[in-house]
Amino acid sequence: DAKTTQPNSMESNEEEPVHLPCNHSTISGTDYIHWYRQLPSQGPEYVIHGLTSNVNNRMASLAIAEDRKSSTLILHRATLRDAAVYYCIPAGTYKYIFGTGTRLKVLA
Amino acid sequence: NAGVTQTPKFQVLKTGQSMTLQCAQDMNHNSMYWYRQDPGMGLRLIYYSASEGTTDKGEVPNGYNVSRLNKREFSLRLESAAPSQTSVYFCASRGWDSLLRYNEQFFGPGTRLTVL
Repeated sequence: DAKTTQPNSMESNEEEPVHLPCNHSTISGTDYIHWYRQLPSQGPEYVIHGLTSNVNNRMASLAIAEDRKSSTLILHRATLRDAAVYYCIPAGTYKYIFGTGTRLKVLA
Repeated sequence: NAGVTQTPKFQVLKTGQSMTLQCAQDMNHNSMYWYRQDPGMGLRLIYYSASEGTTDKGEVPNGYNVSRLNKREFSLRLESAAPSQTSVYFCASRGWDSLLRYNEQFFGPGTRLTVL
């Protein structure tokens, strides 16, 4: 299982972009990089995923390093509702290891 | 379409008691998961079931048993509860999103378990 390293916490001002980094130097060649987030008192929810190329969806963008040993989740304009714990998960087919994630605080 | 449902929402047990946490999904997903989350910590995988009839250990399986009763239901059993098993338990199922683009995990609301 790939090990991940994420900052314990980050802060952002509302309406500003946020870059959440993740190191996953032991990722295997077939693992996707998944990002989930957990809002207070809720179960996690899917944010975005990718394999090699950068990805965009309505929630966020995912930038993946060329060597795939790191990735960055980008929230283009943070809102108060984006305050959550963000988990970076390199995973194969079934087994997801969540780790401790990054707690994002958004300041009004 | 209720998604992933878990019962009970809250439970208090005494050390040594047993109980079963129930999980059901109505999305026709093949794989299902049980996680625990201790206060201030991330989720840890207890067991998962890749498909009906199969189960596999995750990171922290000791003290737990699981049953994949059918495609919809995946239960987690604590045979002899211990205070170290005080946690929030999340069930999840994994399947394709509505546009068939991604095989994502959908989580239930959790069961908050306290073992005294």
